[in-house]
Amino acid sequence: AQSVTQPDIHITVSEGASLELRCNYSYGATPYLFWYVQSPGQGLQLLLKYFSGDTLVQGIKGFEAEFKRSQSSFNLRKPSVHWSDAAEYFCAVSNFGNEKLTFGTGTRLTIIP
Amino acid sequence: NAGVTQTPKFRVLKTGQSMTLLCAQDMNHEYMYWYRQDPGMGLRLIHYSVGEGTTAKGEVPDGYNVSRLKKQNFLLGLESAAPSQTSVYFCASITGTAYPPNTEAFFGQGTRLTVV
Repeated sequence: AQSVTQPDIHITVSEGASLELRCNYSYGATPYLFWYVQSPGQGLQLLLKYFSGDTLVQGIKGFEAEFKRSQSSFNLRKPSVHWSDAAEYFCAVSNFGNEKLTFGTGTRLTIIP
Repeated sequence: NAGVTQTPKFRVLKTGQSMTLLCAQDMNHEYMYWYRQDPGMGLRLIHYSVGEGTTAKGEVPDGYNVSRLKKQNFLLGLESAAPSQTSVYFCASITGTAYPPNTEAFFGQGTRLTVV
């Protein structure tokens, strides 16, 4: 069964500093990977996705993620965070044909001035 | 174009009561999902549907039933609510058509349910 692990429950970063959120997946074939963001009291919004091709994918709001098959990872990065990036971030995995989208437990990001 | 709309947004139930949560999407999506979100547990899939008239169990289906009589609506029912079902419930939909598969999932704003 497919699964996603986000090892960091909560991360605190200073505004303007760089950010990396970790995601590891478990799936037998090539996975389809996603990062979603959830602001307080809101639903989830897609940041970026990986299906195939270039392993470095760009998303909205200045985020990017890199797919590393050898490490089963899909870490999310941003060079310089803004206070508005404070939110909860979810990594998710799916595969073609099995339409179940499986989420990790999330990482809550706090930004300090 | 409203996207995905969940009704109601908040509800308090007494143990043993029943209720139905409604999810409506106006994007002609094939696939629809019900998730529950609990602190420290992320989103867990309750039930899903890959088309009108179809439903399937997810990770945590016990205590819930669903129906997809119309393509645009996906209903989640609690027949006899329990305190363990206190959670925030999210509905989502995906196009489900052709490649690339599983493109962006659109989420509703959530329903906060408390069972006392």
